[in-house]
Amino acid sequence: GAVVSQHPSRVICKSGTSVKIECRSLDFQATTMFWYRQFPKQSLMLMATSNEGSKATYEQGVEKDKFLINHASLTLSTLTVTSAHPEDSSFYICSATSGRATEQFFGPGTRLTVL
Amino acid sequence: GENVEQHPSTLSVQEGDSAVIKCTYSDSASNYFPWYKQELGKRPQLIIDIRSNVGEKKDQRIAVTLNKTAKHFSLHITETQPEDSAVYFCAASKGTSGTYKYIFGTGTRLKVLA
Repeated sequence: GAVVSQHPSRVICKSGTSVKIECRSLDFQATTMFWYRQFPKQSLMLMATSNEGSKATYEQGVEKDKFLINHASLTLSTLTVTSAHPEDSSFYICSATSGRATEQFFGPGTRLTVL
Repeated sequence: GENVEQHPSTLSVQEGDSAVIKCTYSDSASNYFPWYKQELGKRPQLIIDIRSNVGEKKDQRIAVTLNKTAKHFSLHITETQPEDSAVYFCAASKGTSGTYKYIFGTGTRLKVLA
């Protein structure tokens, strides 16, 4: 149980285009989902927290107009990187929690490369 | 806000030896401390966690200790094996539900030499 998937696993795009990443909880209802960014050989940096049906809470320094997060259902959250640039190239990982459980279940990550 | 420091950044041990990784947190309200193992290009996997009402927890070769007064917690891996080689992250969180965010440490790259 507690499986989280992400799609796509890898994406290459041109500078200036937008990319959407999906995060799904496959066997549980995710009341809260988190989005992280991880640069090579670095830690997971929390970008935003999203609760189903409400606006995401962004961490300091994360541009909410550039990283659009939607959590429209209890099993799906999306992260859209708008007008992507090479510096946005990174490993994006989502995680999800359900109800009162504290443990976060992580997705497999999406490697974004912006040319 | 919460800050989590992790040491060492890299650690090499001989197979069969023990490995210890230490983390320090700043927010005394933090009450949940998970440890994750991440292999290259893969998702983090929870290996052990501890809550603030417990001082120590053990699961086979892995143990975690928590000192609330000093605000630090440690991961202990005994009888290390080559497959233990990975990056390990500690994290701190407060609150009792899943709505509370994790703050991760900077990671420790563990190499177990055969």
